[in-house]
Amino acid sequence: DAGVIQSPRHEVTEMGQEVTLRCKPISGHNSLFWYRQTMMRGLELLIYFNNNVPIDDSGMPEDRFSAKMPNASFSTLKIQPSEPRDSAVYFCASTSGGRNEQFFGPGTRLTVL
Amino acid sequence: KNQVEQSPQSLIILEGKNCTLQCNYTVSPFSNLRWYKQDTGRGPVSLTIMTFSENTKSNGRYTATLDADTKQSSLHITASQLSDSASYICVVSADSNYQLIWGAGTKLIIKP
Repeated sequence: DAGVIQSPRHEVTEMGQEVTLRCKPISGHNSLFWYRQTMMRGLELLIYFNNNVPIDDSGMPEDRFSAKMPNASFSTLKIQPSEPRDSAVYFCASTSGGRNEQFFGPGTRLTVL
Repeated sequence: KNQVEQSPQSLIILEGKNCTLQCNYTVSPFSNLRWYKQDTGRGPVSLTIMTFSENTKSNGRYTATLDADTKQSSLHITASQLSDSASYICVVSADSNYQLIWGAGTKLIIKP
């Protein structure tokens, strides 16, 4: 199994641009999480999907952030418009059950200039 | 408030030495405690998961302990190797809850 796949691995963009991060969870996993990691705040849960349905999006910072999971094998996290304070590493993780071990992707390092 | 605190914040030891990392938590009700290893530029990887009834669990040279009464956990690394250089994060799960409470991590550096 290839594990959780994220793309792109690095993204540099200018303030105001739209950014789309992509995630392919491990096949057979029914729960997917998007996290953001910064030096100041550590790992923060942004949104949790179960069976493709958003269960908890209370961690999404503001309306500029949106996430979708159109099917069991694909999810996107979109930031529009992006701001410099959005610069962070964004991780996607999947699990076979909400409370089971989470498997993380390699992350997307986002830099907003 | 549910919190996970780790110490030390950072640690430097020589290759071959042992070390112990600490984790205190105030999460309630408690479901399980996990230790993750995060290499620079990579996602966290699970080392151990312990439930309330388990007080020790090993994964190779890594041994985690849990004292549910005092709400403390430790991660002991034996005969450290250069590849052990990473951040070690303690994570606690509340009962019946998918949410994980993440510690800030201990940055471990192994020097040759």
